[in-house]
Order: sequence, then structure tokens, then C-alpha cells
Amino acid sequence: AQKITQTQPGMFVQEKEAVTLDCTYDTSDPSYGLFWYKQPSSGEMIFLIYQGSYDQQNATEGRYSLNFQKARKSANLVISASQLGDSAMYFCAMREPGYSSASKIIFGSGTRLSIRP
Amino acid sequence: SAVISQKPSRDICQRGTSLTIQCQVDSQVTMMFWYRQQPGQSLTLIATANQGSEATYESGFVIDKFPISRPNLTFSTLTVSNMSPEDSSIYLCSVRRRAEETQYFGPGTRLLVL
Repeated sequence: AQKITQTQPGMFVQEKEAVTLDCTYDTSDPSYGLFWYKQPSSGEMIFLIYQGSYDQQNATEGRYSLNFQKARKSANLVISASQLGDSAMYFCAMREPGYSSASKIIFGSGTRLSIRP
Repeated sequence: SAVISQKPSRDICQRGTSLTIQCQVDSQVTMMFWYRQQPGQSLTLIATANQGSEATYESGFVIDKFPISRPNLTFSTLTVSNMSPEDSSIYLCSVRRRAEETQYFGPGTRLLVL
């Protein structure tokens, strides 16, 4: 069965510093997708970045990059130059194997990131 | 991306009553999903809503408690029936288009059951 693990329940980071949020996953299938979502206190889930298992390069979206290490089954999120508005819960998620539009996404337990001014 | 709206955004309900949550998308999508997020917890998938057919429920969720409708490719409803305080959660609608990998979420419905 697929599993997503986030081992950091909470993190404090100084503003403008870079931060890495850890995520490891477990699947025996070679085809899968990895996501990171941000959930501010308002409750909405904001899509940040996506990495496909066959993608050769690490995904990047602005200040967000995904450090994808396939052999280690890790998909850490890196936020460069953190801002106060980055304070939120961050969830790592994995889409079930295959490319069916019906394949489900499962979520890790989340990491609460707090940015200090 | 997809623009998703949910109604209501929040509600306070009495135990034993039912609440229907609406999810509207600005364009046609293949799959719609309903998630629950209990206080301080991660997201748990309730069911996958298929247009024109019965929803597919995850283990631990049943149709009698969480009936779902999907009358067309842009709209779905989730009903939380016979509510108890344990149903107090954020309920989130999520969508995925056929050809895209990204899955988007609505703003959520915050439900408090007294």
C-alpha cells in the first residue's frame, strides 16, 4: 500500500532563510505523482508543485522547488527566501500509481511552518 | 487551473440534522473528490464522485451517512446526514481534469456540530 510520511510536525524558520520540508513515500509501482500543498489558517488547500515519477528534472515553481530523490523515495520541498506569508501547514501527497484520472491522492500528516520576522 | 466554489463556507448545526454542501467548478472536470479534514488532522478521502453513476466510497465511509450527487461535469453535492459532534470538520471538494495531473481544491466548508 502507498504511504506518505512527513516527520516534522512543526518548524520555525527565520524570515528570508531557505527551508526544507521533508517527505518520504512508499510505493512499489514505478508510475506515480507527488504533490505539495499549502494550507493557511483560512483552510483552503493551495497547490504548490508537482513531480511525476518519470520526470528527469526536479520541479520548480518560483520560490518552490522539489528535491526529488527517487532511489531514496524522498520528495522534499525547498522554499527559498522564506516570507512571513509562508507560515502555514504544508502537506505532501502522492497520487496512486498509474495515470487514470480516477487514481486517488493520499496525504501525509503535514508540517506546520512558522516564519519568524 | 480550476476555479472551485463551495457553499456554505461554514455552518453550525445541531446534532441529528443534515447538511448539504455544494461544489461548483468553472469548467467541466472528469473526477470530483470529497475529502474530510478533522481538527488538527490531515485530509482523508471520503469518496470519488462519478458523473452519471454511483459514487465510490472509501473504507469507513458509507452512502447512508454521506450521500453524494454528481448531476453533471461541473457540480456535485455532499450531504452529511444525522450529524454528531464527531462530524465537525472541514469538508473539501477537489477536482481533476482528464488530461492534467494537478488536483485542485475548493475553499472548504467548515462544519461545527453542537
